[in-house]
Amino acid sequence: AQKVTQAQTEISVVEKEDVTLDCVYETRDTTYYLFWYKQPPSGELVFLIRRNSFDEQNEISGRYSWNFQKSTSSFNFTITASQVVDSAVYFCALSANTGNQFYFGTGTSLTVIP
Amino acid sequence: DTEVTQTPKHLVMGMTNKKSLKCEQHMGHRAMYWYKQKAKKPPELMFVYSYEKLSINESVPSRFSPECPNSSLLNLHLHALQPEDSALYLCASSQAGEGRNTIYFGEGSWLTVV
Repeated sequence: AQKVTQAQTEISVVEKEDVTLDCVYETRDTTYYLFWYKQPPSGELVFLIRRNSFDEQNEISGRYSWNFQKSTSSFNFTITASQVVDSAVYFCALSANTGNQFYFGTGTSLTVIP
Repeated sequence: DTEVTQTPKHLVMGMTNKKSLKCEQHMGHRAMYWYKQKAKKPPELMFVYSYEKLSINESVPSRFSPECPNSSLLNLHLHALQPEDSALYLCASSQAGEGRNTIYFGEGSWLTVV
């Protein structure tokens, strides 16, 4: 069975603080894919990153960075020097190598206070 | 800007009305999706079309009727809805088939049933 857990329901930080959003997943597949999406109040789910299970290299994109650790089944997302525009709900998701099914976590609502 | 466009952005309909949500993608993708999202919840998969054929129906009530006229277009026909069907309806697309393909979402249609 596939499962994604985002234990942090809501987080508030003051602008310019760093914040890490946690994502823990469960799967029996050896090949799988992990994703992060951002959903601002407007509603659109914006794709941020995809990571393959066989590539544990961490990634940095501007103020965003992702830490993938298969040993702990985690795929955490860090925003450095947060900004008000980062306020949104962030979803972590998992998909298997076959089929079209995405398994979303319950989301973490991030509020950045100016 | 998203390459998956949805219309209308907002829709208010009575329980006896018939309406449709429309979605178009311009990425040459061969899989298209409808998701339903209630407030403070992750998106829930409703339907998947792969190569213009319905491949997944997640036991959605018949008052929701999907249609895929061609590989770029996806409609969701609504009839005799209930107030509990009020939600954000998200269209998405991906390259067909395997779970390794990233799903790209539209901005969503906010539906209110009165």
